[in-house]
Amino acid sequence: KQEVTQIPAALSVPEGENLVLNCSFTDSAIYNLQWFRQDPGKGLTSLLLIQSSQREQTSGRLNASLDKSSGRSTLYIAASQPGDSATYLCAVPTDSWGKLQFGAGTQVVVTP
Amino acid sequence: GAVVSQHPSWVICKSGTSVKIECRSLDFQATTMFWYRQFPKQSLMLMATSNEGSKATYEQGVEKDKFLINHASLTLSTLTVTSAHPEDSSFYICSARIAGGNEQFFGPGTRLTVL
Repeated sequence: KQEVTQIPAALSVPEGENLVLNCSFTDSAIYNLQWFRQDPGKGLTSLLLIQSSQREQTSGRLNASLDKSSGRSTLYIAASQPGDSATYLCAVPTDSWGKLQFGAGTQVVVTP
Repeated sequence: GAVVSQHPSWVICKSGTSVKIECRSLDFQATTMFWYRQFPKQSLMLMATSNEGSKATYEQGVEKDKFLINHASLTLSTLTVTSAHPEDSSFYICSARIAGGNEQFFGPGTRLTVL
């Protein structure tokens, strides 16, 4: 059974610092990996999707890497801003329909 | 980008009543939609997988007679919480997978409070 772990559970940084969020998964036979952001009381916003054949994906200040062999993905957020404060979740599909297994999330606070 | 809407965004109802939540993909077709439940400070818990035109597949421990799911079209899935009780109070979120694609897009969620 696929298990997804996110470390750390919480992170607080001053504005301008780079953020590094980690996600690990136990079964390396994944189709893809998706990173999401969730603001309190809101739904999830898709940030990046990395296909299993890719090693990284970039969107603006966000960069996500994928190392299937070691079962790890890292989300980098450059030059953090207070607006980046949110919970970040990673997820991998566990079947061909796309049923997602989520990590518990990393709660990020960026202080001005 | 792909947009998923949910209606209502919040609902308060009396114990014993039924509540219907709609999930719509606004600018794309979704052959598969998913329904999640989220408790405070916790991650999402998958309730069921809904494929257009067929019966939903429920996760273990989820009562299919209590949480009725209908996926009548490629852009609409509904979740009906029947005979709701206070323990059903939660944040319900749907997601939609683009037909032929891998990425999932999530709705804004529906806050259900049962008195």
